[in-house]
Formats: sequence, C-alpha cells, structure tokens
Amino acid sequence: EPEVTQTPSHQVTQMGQEVILRCVPISNHLYFYWYRQILGQKVEFLVSFYNNEISEKSEIFDDQFSVERPDGSNFTLKIRSTKLEDSAMYFCASRARTSGHNEQFFGPGTRLTVL
Amino acid sequence: GEDVEQSLFLSVREGDSSVINCTYTDSSSTYLYWYKQEPGAGLQLLTYIFSNMDMKQDQRLTVLLNKKDKHLSLRIADTQTGDSAIYFCAESTRSGNTPLVFGKGTRLSVIA
Repeated sequence: EPEVTQTPSHQVTQMGQEVILRCVPISNHLYFYWYRQILGQKVEFLVSFYNNEISEKSEIFDDQFSVERPDGSNFTLKIRSTKLEDSAMYFCASRARTSGHNEQFFGPGTRLTVL
Repeated sequence: GEDVEQSLFLSVREGDSSVINCTYTDSSSTYLYWYKQEPGAGLQLLTYIFSNMDMKQDQRLTVLLNKKDKHLSLRIADTQTGDSAIYFCAESTRSGNTPLVFGKGTRLSVIA
C-alpha cells in the first residue's frame, strides 16, 4: 500500500542552524501539508501546498519557514534559523485531488530537537 | 478559532468496549475524523463522519456525532491489545484543500 515517507526520523541541531526536513508524498497526490506537534501539545497545521505554491499557512509559518517541491517526488520544509521552540515532531501529509472527504495521509514524522 | 478537546488517557481491559470522547467548537465543521497513531508510525485515518450524519459503524468501530452538543465519540468494541495507541480527533470546516484541526490525542492503554 502506498505511504508517505519522511527523512530523517530524528534530527538534532544547534540553535540558529538551518534544517531541511524531507517528505515523499504518495505519488499521485496533489495536495501537500506540513503539521507539527510540540511534546504534549496538539498537532498544529503549518502550511498547505498545491500546484507549486502555498495555498494556506498558519501564524506559526513565519519567514523562518519555507517549503519546496524541488522535483516530482520530494516535498521539503526548511527552517532557516532554528529556535529552541521549534523542537517538535513534524508530520508531512498528502491528499489526492479526488478525496471528497479531505482524507490526508500522514508520514511517520521527523522528530526535531534543537539544542 | 476552532478548538478540539479530548481527554488525555483511557485505560480499559481487553475484551471491554472503549469510548473515546471529543468536543469541538466550530459549528461549521464539515467532516470529523478519528486518527490512530501507533508508536513510531504516522497518523492513520481510522474513520470519518460527515456532519449530516449521527452515526457511522465500521466493523468494531462506532462513531457517534451530536451536532447540537458538538460532541464526537469513538467506540471500539471488544478492545484488543493491538488497539493500544494514541487516538486523535480532528475536524475540517469545509471540503477541499483545508487543514485539519486536531485535538491533543487520547492515549488508550489496553490491559490484558
């Protein structure tokens, strides 16, 4: 069964460093999302992406964040200068164009630890 | 903004029924979902219900929706140890390409 994959599973970085989190969505999906979950908190929406552009973003998704679909398979989230409060589990999701009930398929997540 | 609340923990004995509850605030919610997260895995969609339905049954799972009270529940019949996981309630307010709004998740522990 097709699935969303994410790499790495765990990333440790120093405050102020740039990180890139990678996702490979399901191959025929057209909508892509990033969510994050700070330990003990809710899963929060960051950004959605369709047709090579951001379609919606939350207040969390400030100028330090960017997303890109550099080729036909990868979908990346870049954090330019990480802060301690960026430590969280980051989930990528994708959705087929034909999903009438907005079914989003999630990857296993990348745990980001900022020291 | 929209908010989704769930209790954090539930413990049941194997073979009993589990009921996980969720409340939401946005009356314009179109779809409500239950996701399951097992250790080391992503969020897996278990089931969803459209806002004009009161109930949906799928094998051992029963979803009840009370729109008036904005209350959603997931009942798992004959709970098994393999059902131990975190269960997330989520909603989306319109169809199409919209973000999901999640609760914090309920950790279900099944005691053998």
